[in-house]
Amino acid sequence: SAVISQKPSRDICQRGTSLTIQCQVDSQVTMMFWYRQQPGQSLTLIATANQGSEATYESGFVIDKFPISRPNLTFSTLTVSNMSPEDSSIYLCSVDSVNTEAFFGQGTRLTVV
Amino acid sequence: DAKTTQPNSMESNEEEPVHLPCNHSTISGTDYIHWYRQLPSQGPEYVIHGLTSNVNNRMASLAIAEDRKSSTLILHRATLRDAAVYYCILRDQNYGGSQGNLIFGKGTKLSVKP
Repeated sequence: SAVISQKPSRDICQRGTSLTIQCQVDSQVTMMFWYRQQPGQSLTLIATANQGSEATYESGFVIDKFPISRPNLTFSTLTVSNMSPEDSSIYLCSVDSVNTEAFFGQGTRLTVV
Repeated sequence: DAKTTQPNSMESNEEEPVHLPCNHSTISGTDYIHWYRQLPSQGPEYVIHGLTSNVNNRMASLAIAEDRKSSTLILHRATLRDAAVYYCILRDQNYGGSQGNLIFGKGTKLSVKP
């Protein structure tokens, strides 16, 4: 299993500002994944973060809006840039185990006002 | 991408068994059937997965139809803590480490009455 810590757990931000979300895993993993869950909706994959290379973004998500860092095998950050109220969501990071189970952090609840 | 169909919501009484159905008629031979659940204000957590045979673990049982076009997650004795959204997801065993095919649908919202 993997234990994932996300910070902050929640935040209220002004529109036009940026927020960086941190994700720490208790073991080394090759890939880390970032998801968005809009209010009342299911999860949508934003991007895959590999250590030592640029993140791979899913359709509808771009690096300028959601820059990602992956400095080592246990840590990643997701920045939500130039925020608007439409960015109010829960953001989650995730990793896979060797048995294909996915583990998720508790999420960061972002409200943009 | 393979898709699944689940009821939007279900209700159960505490300490009774719960059968959560999932249809996946377009499942391919290399797709595993995964179940996750999301408790209120938490990230999803893995419940169980299987390929062809029924599976049991300490959380639940997974019954897979012989043609693999449907499956049922069984909670043997529902507790209040089992109230959550349950997601049935198909995942290709050749996923290559990507979560691109870990596609979450709307899931089934399970309510448990005391």
